Amino acid sequence: DAMVIQNPRYQVTQFGKPVTLSCSQTLNHNVMYWYQQKSSQAPKLLFHYYDKDFNNEADTPDNFQSRRPNTSFCFLDIRSPGLGDAAMYLCATSRDQVSNEQFFGPGTRLTVL
Amino acid sequence: AQSVSQHNHHVILSEAASLELGCNYSYGGTVNLFWYVQYPGQHLQLLLKYFSGDPLVKGIKGFEAEFIKSKFSFNLRKPSVQWSDTAEYFCAAPGKLIFGQGTTLQVKP
Repeated sequence: DAMVIQNPRYQVTQFGKPVTLSCSQTLNHNVMYWYQQKSSQAPKLLFHYYDKDFNNEADTPDNFQSRRPNTSFCFLDIRSPGLGDAAMYLCATSRDQVSNEQFFGPGTRLTVL
Repeated sequence: AQSVSQHNHHVILSEAASLELGCNYSYGGTVNLFWYVQYPGQHLQLLLKYFSGDPLVKGIKGFEAEFIKSKFSFNLRKPSVQWSDTAEYFCAAPGKLIFGQGTTLQVKP
């Protein structure tokens, strides 16, 4: 089945220790998104790629970076995680930005010690 | 700027009760709206969507929503809920998938 896969499902890191979260998709969608979702809150968009074009949200901290080496993969890098970065990180894809129906992965729950 | 708001943050119902969750949008132009559901421990999935045409939209698992332009609303409904409907429900607007605050639905068996 075509799907959005996130690895790992659970990630524990130490305060200030860089961490990378991974997302892959078999849908061949042009757009890939990263969201941060904290407990009992709605997902918050961090950034998205339309093909190779990177689009950062204005209020996304510089601590968060992303890479998309090819259509299938997208990475979220947190350079120096703080306690406030503990959250669920969701990856999503859509065929294009017009239809914008998004398909979500299961998420990676990040714990910062 | 686009915005979406949900009125009910936490709803508790008994099985077989009817459900209506409110969603209001505040933007003009072409209006497209979604309802997503997040079951406990699972990923977000699309319940239904409105792009144009019939304002009464039917989705998966017996859910439906009605787009009422005059009220800027897109409320989610289900005539008879089940325990398995316990989940978080999000109304969302496209563009950058702007989510409402979410509604936690708890259905008591």
